[in-house]
Amino acid sequence: DVKVTQSSRYLVKRTGEKVFLECVQDMDHENMFWYRQDPGLGLRLIYFSYDVKMKEKGDIPEGYSVSREKKERFSLILESASTNQTSMYLCASSFVPSRGERVYGYTFGSGTRLTVV
Amino acid sequence: GNSVTQMEGPVTLSEEAFLTINCTYTATGYPSLFWYVQYPGEGLQLLLKATKADDKGSNKGFEATYRKETTSFHLEKGSVQVSDSAVYFCALNRAGGTSYGKLTFGQGTILTVHP
Repeated sequence: DVKVTQSSRYLVKRTGEKVFLECVQDMDHENMFWYRQDPGLGLRLIYFSYDVKMKEKGDIPEGYSVSREKKERFSLILESASTNQTSMYLCASSFVPSRGERVYGYTFGSGTRLTVV
Repeated sequence: GNSVTQMEGPVTLSEEAFLTINCTYTATGYPSLFWYVQYPGEGLQLLLKATKADDKGSNKGFEATYRKETTSFHLEKGSVQVSDSAVYFCALNRAGGTSYGKLTFGQGTILTVHP
C-alpha cells in the first residue's frame, strides 16, 4: 500500500521554537506539497517541490521554509513558531502524468496537528 | 487566479436523505475538478474526479458533473449513510506548464449524518 507518512500526529511547541515537520513518501513521486488546513479556509498551499533541492512558494509561505535533500523526504520548517501557526499540516505527493494525461495523482498524509503555546 | 467556492456548512442530514454540496470555481484554461473526502483523524482521499466539460465523476454512490457553462461541480448522493459523515473538499488543478498540478481547494463542508 502506497503511503505518505508524517512523522508526528500531534505536536505541542512553544512560541519562538524552531519546529521541523517531516514527510516521507514511498511512491517515487516527483512532486511534494505542504498544505495548512484551517476551519472555514480549506487547505492552503505553503510550499511545494517538484524535484530534489527544488522548491517554490505557495500561497502562504511567510514564516515557513522547506527542505528536500532526498526525493522521498520533504521537510517543513517553522523558523520561529508563533501562535498563529497553530494548525493542521498536511503533506502530499503526486506523480507527473504521462503525456496527454491531465490528472496528477495525489496521495495525502494523515496530518500533523501542531499547537504553539 | 484560480479559486473554488463551496456552500457554507455544516450540513446535517438524516440517514437516507438526499445530499447536495454546491461547488463553483474560477480558473483560466481547462482545469480538472475533484472532490476529496476527509474522515475523522485521517488525511484526504480522492472521492471522484472529472477532467473535461460534461464528464461525470462517480464513486461510492456519489456523483458530480463538470459544468463548464455554469463553472460548477456539485456533489450529489441519493441516499446518505452515517458512514458518509466527513469533511468534503472541492478542488481543481491545471495540468502542464509550471502549474505542477497544484491543487486549489474550497473551504470544506462538514457533513454529519444521523441515524
